[in-house]
Amino acid sequence: QSVLTQPPSASGTPGQRVTISCSGSSSNIGSNYVYWYQQLPGTAPKLLIYRNNQRPSGVPDRFSGSKSGTSASLAISGLRSEDEADYYCAAWDDSLSGYWVFGGGTKLTVL
Amino acid sequence: QVQLQQSGPGLVKPSQTLSLTCAISGDSVSSNSAAWNWIRQSPSRGLEWLGRTYYRSKWYNDYAVSVKSRITINPDTSKNQFSLQLNSVTPEDTAVYYCASSSSSTADAFDIWGQGTMVTVSS
Repeated sequence: QSVLTQPPSASGTPGQRVTISCSGSSSNIGSNYVYWYQQLPGTAPKLLIYRNNQRPSGVPDRFSGSKSGTSASLAISGLRSEDEADYYCAAWDDSLSGYWVFGGGTKLTVL
Repeated sequence: QVQLQQSGPGLVKPSQTLSLTCAISGDSVSSNSAAWNWIRQSPSRGLEWLGRTYYRSKWYNDYAVSVKSRITINPDTSKNQFSLQLNSVTPEDTAVYYCASSSSSTADAFDIWGQGTMVTVSS
């Protein structure tokens, strides 16, 4: 079981807006930044969002992140077929001696 | 731009040591603003951060508690690379292993990843 909780699946049609949630606790999301990664089949994860809502250069502004308390969300607007992928949230956890934790991933299907 | 190239065996016998290397181009393993991580992914455990090494006037290592007794991550400044050693492996250690850099410019996000190495633990 992953430390951060995500829904296993999400779906939408082209052009729609989809949101993916990520739930944690006070020791991770509640006190640290949230990050989001996109993983296309057979490839390494790619950074999508850092510091809760910042996009690295090259990531379209269709992708946005937000955080409130111990939960976070990734929103994808204007859904496109190439957005079909697995999405993971991550955060630093202050418990034990500190370590990075991930969500279990959400498989996004574009119908 | 930073690139990471992984190398190492894809098959390791139970109880032996898993060894992987990650060669860095476009940055220095001794950078004062980067950290060098190992992360693995398996169907049963999902994405799991294993540990990191970084230089801030001296070398530091952080390891996940789950593997702390078995793991070593070492920088190699002469070859500009870093390595992972995981001792006493079991079939539970079968996974795709990734090296990844994290930098202060992206608030320590894993911004560059290696290509991944599928490691199978089997006799």
